[in-house]
Amino acid sequence: SQKIEQNSEALNIQEGKTATLTCNYTNYSPAYLQWYRQDPGRGPVFLLLIRENEKEKRKERLKVTFDTTLKQSLFHITASQPADSATYLCASMNTGFQKLVFGTGTRLLVSP
Amino acid sequence: DTGVSQNPRHKITKRGQNVTFRCDPISEHNRLYWYRQTLGQGPEFLTYFQNEAQLEKSRLLSDRFSAERPKGSFSTLEIQRTEQGDSAMYLCASSSHQGLNTEAFFGQGTRLTVV
Repeated sequence: SQKIEQNSEALNIQEGKTATLTCNYTNYSPAYLQWYRQDPGRGPVFLLLIRENEKEKRKERLKVTFDTTLKQSLFHITASQPADSATYLCASMNTGFQKLVFGTGTRLLVSP
Repeated sequence: DTGVSQNPRHKITKRGQNVTFRCDPISEHNRLYWYRQTLGQGPEFLTYFQNEAQLEKSRLLSDRFSAERPKGSFSTLEIQRTEQGDSAMYLCASSSHQGLNTEAFFGQGTRLTVV
């Protein structure tokens, strides 16, 4: 079955460094991947969408890559800030474009 | 506020009771999704509507769960005879599903605690 995997261990980094989060998918080829941010007790908030024919997408301090050979997307936050601390979710639409399938999310902690 | 609205935000209920949650999507969105999320996990798909038609239900959705979206507007999710395992955050999302621009807009969720 279609599967999205993210590192379930929290990522701890120092303020100012670049955070890199990984999303791997198996058993299908998504037309695109999406990244969401989720704060405790809140619903996910959409950040970026990248299509399979796009290698890279940027938005302010955020950068997403999509490698269809490795079946992987990387999510980067440059010049990280404590306010970036949250859980980041990777998601894709399943075959047939019916529903978003989410990974478990990776918690990012940025220390001052 | 033109975002997705969910009510109530929190619900505590005794095991065996019925509960109903409401979701008001963004008005021009024709797709509406329900997800369930437990601690440390990503959102798990429950069901979705295209306008008023319920097009898919997850195997997670037992017979005790029912969802409706009358007239393709707001939606309700009812859980009958609640069990402790139903305790979770229930998230509603809507999208316009125009081409491939299918970002989902989520509500704040309803936190259900079954005691």
